[in-house]
Amino acid sequence: DTGVSQDPRHKITKRGQNVTFRCDPISEHNRLYWYRQTLGQGPEFLTYFQNEAQLEKSRLLSDRFSAERPKGSFSTLEIQRTEQGDSAMYLCASAPRPSGGSGTGELFFGEGSRLTVL
Amino acid sequence: AQSVTQLDSHVSVSEGTPVLLRCNYSSSYSPSLFWYVQHPNKGLQLLLKYTSAATLVKGINGFEAEFKKSETSFHLTKPSAHMSDAAEYFCVVRGPILTGGGNKLTFGTGTQLKVEL
Repeated sequence: DTGVSQDPRHKITKRGQNVTFRCDPISEHNRLYWYRQTLGQGPEFLTYFQNEAQLEKSRLLSDRFSAERPKGSFSTLEIQRTEQGDSAMYLCASAPRPSGGSGTGELFFGEGSRLTVL
Repeated sequence: AQSVTQLDSHVSVSEGTPVLLRCNYSSSYSPSLFWYVQHPNKGLQLLLKYTSAATLVKGINGFEAEFKKSETSFHLTKPSAHMSDAAEYFCVVRGPILTGGGNKLTFGTGTQLKVEL
């Protein structure tokens, strides 16, 4: 399978613990995005990488959240001192370098990592 | 700012009957619009996209959507529902363009489609 893969698919943790999610994008895609989806809502943008550079961060991304993409391939999203409000599905998406302008805008999503904070 | 409003949180149809999922958009410029589908325990999948070419856009699995600027709408339709269409559907608008040319997608709150026998 050559799609976007995320690990783990499910994570249950206690409040105050740290968690880390990993995303492996489609191999030729240089753009990588993290989104968060809570129950009954659509996904919301968290952050965006172009190669290894983190170019945009949403105000939703508090200082307890950190994302990296050290070699421009896989990415990690770490949440420190988790809170119950962090319970959500964390989605990773990737996109290729556009052939012209900003491209069509299509993103390719993984199946997500579901976090439950007790 | 770009936004989309999905007018129905739940839609229920009988198998073989038409599907209509409604979406209105708000955009300060000519928008790029998408419909994504999310089946249980599956990733979001692109159904179709409008990027200022033909106003009637055909997608996968028999779905289509029509861009109507005068009504600021982008409703999703399918002539005949199938059981496998049961899923959550998201109307999405692109923008603003991110630093470096990245694409920020803004999602609606979703419409859960139920298909009954």
